[in-house]
Amino acid sequence: SQQGEEDPQALSIQEGENATMNCSYKTSINNLQWYRQNSGRGLVHLILIRSNEREKHSGRLRVTLDTSKKSSSLLITASRAADTASYFCATLSGGSEKLVFGKGTKLTVNP
Amino acid sequence: DTAVSQTPKYLVTQMGNDKSIKCEQNLGHDTMYWYKQDSKKFLKIMFSYNNKELIINETVPNRFSPKSPDKAHLNLHINSLELGDSAVYFCASSQDPGTYGNTIYFGEGSWLTVV
Repeated sequence: SQQGEEDPQALSIQEGENATMNCSYKTSINNLQWYRQNSGRGLVHLILIRSNEREKHSGRLRVTLDTSKKSSSLLITASRAADTASYFCATLSGGSEKLVFGKGTKLTVNP
Repeated sequence: DTAVSQTPKYLVTQMGNDKSIKCEQNLGHDTMYWYKQDSKKFLKIMFSYNNKELIINETVPNRFSPKSPDKAHLNLHINSLELGDSAVYFCASSQDPGTYGNTIYFGEGSWLTVV
C-alpha cells in the first residue's frame, strides 16, 4: 500500500527561486529517501535521511524529517531549469524490506 | 557503463501476447527489483529477489513471472497481456534488501503498450 504522499502534486517556479516539496507518511520508518525522475527516465537517488536525523544537506538540497508529524520536506535552493523533474519520497518501514514510494511532485522550473 | 540496464526500452504488443523484459545490473548487488509505474506516475513494487531467491511478491497477477538466472539478472515474463498491463516497468537493484541506509539504483524503464 502507498505510504508517502507528496505535496503539492505540481509546482511551477522561476529559475533562482527555492522549491519546497513535502512528504507525509503513515507508519514509523527506518529511513526516508528522496528520488528524482526526469521525463522519460528512471529514478535517481538524491538523499537519504534516517529516522534519528532531523536535517540533512547535499549541495543545493536540504531535507528535513519530523517523525512526530510523520513528515519530511525537500528544499531545492536557487533552482535551475535542469531541476525540472518529478520528485518522489520513499519510506522504508521497520521490519519491512520494501521501499514504498509516494505519487511524486512534478516540479517545473521556468528559465 | 550503465549500472542497471533493461531491454527493450519500448514495447508495443497486442492483447493476449506473451512478452519478456530483461534486466541486468553490473553493480555487484545482491538484490534486484521490478517496479511498475502507472499512468499517474504511481510507482509500486512488484517483486524483489535476493541472491536469486524471491523475497517480495506483491499482489501481482500470476501472469507475471520473474526469473533470476543469477544475481546479476532479473527478467520479467508476462503472459496473456491485457490492456491494463500498459505501464512503465522499472528494474532496480540494491546491495541488500531492506537494509538501514539502502539506496536503490533504477534502470531507465521499459515502456509497455498493449493494444
